[in-house]
Amino acid sequence: DAGVTQSPTHLIKTRGQQVTLRCSPISGHKSVSWYQQVLGQGPQFIFQYYEKEERGRGNFPDRFSARQFPNYSSELNVNALLLGDSALYLCASSSFPGASGKETQYFGPGTRLLVL
Amino acid sequence: RKEVEQDPGPFNVPEGATVAFNCTYSNSASQSFFWYRQDCRKEPKLLMSVYSSGNEDGRFTAQLNRASQYISLLIRDSKLSDSATYLCVVNDGTNAGKSTFGDGTTLTVKP
Repeated sequence: DAGVTQSPTHLIKTRGQQVTLRCSPISGHKSVSWYQQVLGQGPQFIFQYYEKEERGRGNFPDRFSARQFPNYSSELNVNALLLGDSALYLCASSSFPGASGKETQYFGPGTRLLVL
Repeated sequence: RKEVEQDPGPFNVPEGATVAFNCTYSNSASQSFFWYRQDCRKEPKLLMSVYSSGNEDGRFTAQLNRASQYISLLIRDSKLSDSATYLCVVNDGTNAGKSTFGDGTTLTVKP
């Protein structure tokens, strides 16, 4: 079975532009979470979607938005890009609701976004 | 103060050494605990869950102290392939998809 896939792998944008990142979860997983990982730091939770509904949102501005499609794939959108948005954006899928917080998150390879 | 704090290291150890990583968390509502491993420029992967009674997986031992809100990871007989960043992860026990990660501890094992 394929793991979590993300596209594109790399992206270069300029300040003020908008970007859309895509994620396909592991087959059978209905939960998708998005994390931002800035160099030298751990992943920071942005959003979680389950059954097309937002289940959680981290401390990120409204420039960040996401959605989940009927096939459980997901998109993360970031508007009005800032230099500080440069990071690795990770998508993770899990079998939530499953083992009440103990379920494994499986991460995709990430999208590296550079904002110039 | 960060919700999950780890000693960033780096830890540079020779092959065969025993090394221990510590992690503290500030949210007393945290219920589920994990160690993830992240290789350079790769995605994080689950190393092991951490149970209240402590648990072992081969050369790796994880411990949890709820009273002190402290988690540890012990690696025995270090291998070159153990070189990576180790991320401490917690959540409130309802949903692993909303987890809080520490910034990681970097380990380099040298010949």
